[in-house]
Amino acid sequence: AQKVTQAQTEISVVEKEDVTLDCVYETRDTTYYLFWYKQPPSGELVFLIRRNSFDEQNEISGRYSWNFQKSTSSFNFTITASQVVDSAVYFCALSEAYSGNTPLVFGKGTRLSVIA
Amino acid sequence: GAGVSQTPSNKVTEKGKYVELRCDPISGHTALYWYRQSLGQGPEFLIYFQGTGAADDSGLPNDRFFAVRPEGSVSTLKIQRTERGDSAVYLCASSYSGTDYEQYFGPGTRLTVT
Repeated sequence: AQKVTQAQTEISVVEKEDVTLDCVYETRDTTYYLFWYKQPPSGELVFLIRRNSFDEQNEISGRYSWNFQKSTSSFNFTITASQVVDSAVYFCALSEAYSGNTPLVFGKGTRLSVIA
Repeated sequence: GAGVSQTPSNKVTEKGKYVELRCDPISGHTALYWYRQSLGQGPEFLIYFQGTGAADDSGLPNDRFFAVRPEGSVSTLKIQRTERGDSAVYLCASSYSGTDYEQYFGPGTRLTVT
């Protein structure tokens, strides 16, 4: 069975601080995808990144970066120099990757509040 | 282009009533998913369509829940004899076929059963 754990329920930081959101996953699949989605107060889930299990390279996109470590089954997300607009609930998700489209298994989310 | 749209945005119904929730996916997306999100939780999978057929309905909680996608585009999630525990945000997502495509989510329908 697949499972995603986001141990941090809520995080509060002051603007311009760096913040890391943790994600730990469990799967028996050897091939899988990991995702991060952002859910702002408006409620619509916004796709941020997809990572294939074969690709352990870290990725940076502007102020966002992701650290994928298969050895610890973690896929952590760091926001550098946080801004108030980063305030949202962030979800980590997992799907299998060998049988076509598959549903996402989500963690419970981490609510990030960035205070001005 | 247009994203995934869902109607209504809010639905309040009485316990025991029947409701229909509609999802209009992104044009060209053959895969369509329904998820349910309860307060303070992550979305939970309900059912997935590939074209017109339900490829995986293992997430439907019981036989009061049913979904259709008759022409391979718009989908309707139907809930019979609603219960207060059905209150949640129902999310629809769509994607291209294959494993290499991310799912794009609609704004959701907030269902409240009184």
